[in-house]
Amino acid sequence: EIVLTQSPGTLSLSPGERATLSCRASQSVSSSYLAWYQQKPGQAPRLLIYGASSRATGIPDRFSGSGSGTDFTLTISRLEPEDFAVYYCQQYGSSPRAFGQGTKVEIK
Amino acid sequence: QITLKESGPTLVKPTQTLTLTCTFSGFSLSTSGVGVGWIRQPPGKALEWLALIYWDDDKRYSPSLKSRLTITKDTSKNQVVLTMTNMDPVDTATYYCAHMTVGTIFGVVSFDLFDYWGQGTLVTVSS
Repeated sequence: EIVLTQSPGTLSLSPGERATLSCRASQSVSSSYLAWYQQKPGQAPRLLIYGASSRATGIPDRFSGSGSGTDFTLTISRLEPEDFAVYYCQQYGSSPRAFGQGTKVEIK
Repeated sequence: QITLKESGPTLVKPTQTLTLTCTFSGFSLSTSGVGVGWIRQPPGKALEWLALIYWDDDKRYSPSLKSRLTITKDTSKNQVVLTMTNMDPVDTATYYCAHMTVGTIFGVVSFDLFDYWGQGTLVTVSS
């Protein structure tokens, strides 16, 4: 079973700053089947990135994903006010499908 | 346009069985490469995958909850039903269903991606 560990737990930044979120897997994630989701309060998660680096439909290009094997990163190049939210990584290539515990990006 | 909506009781008593229905539109669960999954989220906590069902009626369950879960589909009604037995207060959570895009290699599922989510339904377990 793959366990995903996200860091940091909370990231305090100002609008316009760059955000770098980490997701580390306990075992190699097959074929980079790693996704990132954004969740705002009271809303369902929204798919941002799949395949470690491909943006989902309609996702702005300030969001980018990278990594392979056990280390993955979500980068938001310049934070917009609407980007302050909780972000989850998820591996979807092996069973059980696991989510990380989340990183909250909050306004500093 | 793909949409999903969860429905079911908002309050259940401990030991009771929870039955949730996911009603969807914009896709057919008889189409190859399609699936529906269930995920839950306790208040203030992380997401937890529960179960999923593929177009060919193959199913997968979270190992930690497998004995309590059953997932079924009704293709004619565009619905997927999740039942969870022996509910406990720790099962209090928002329950989501999600559309999956499923990839296969030589007929074997290689991935299933939750790409469209329902709005979720909050289920409270309390006597």
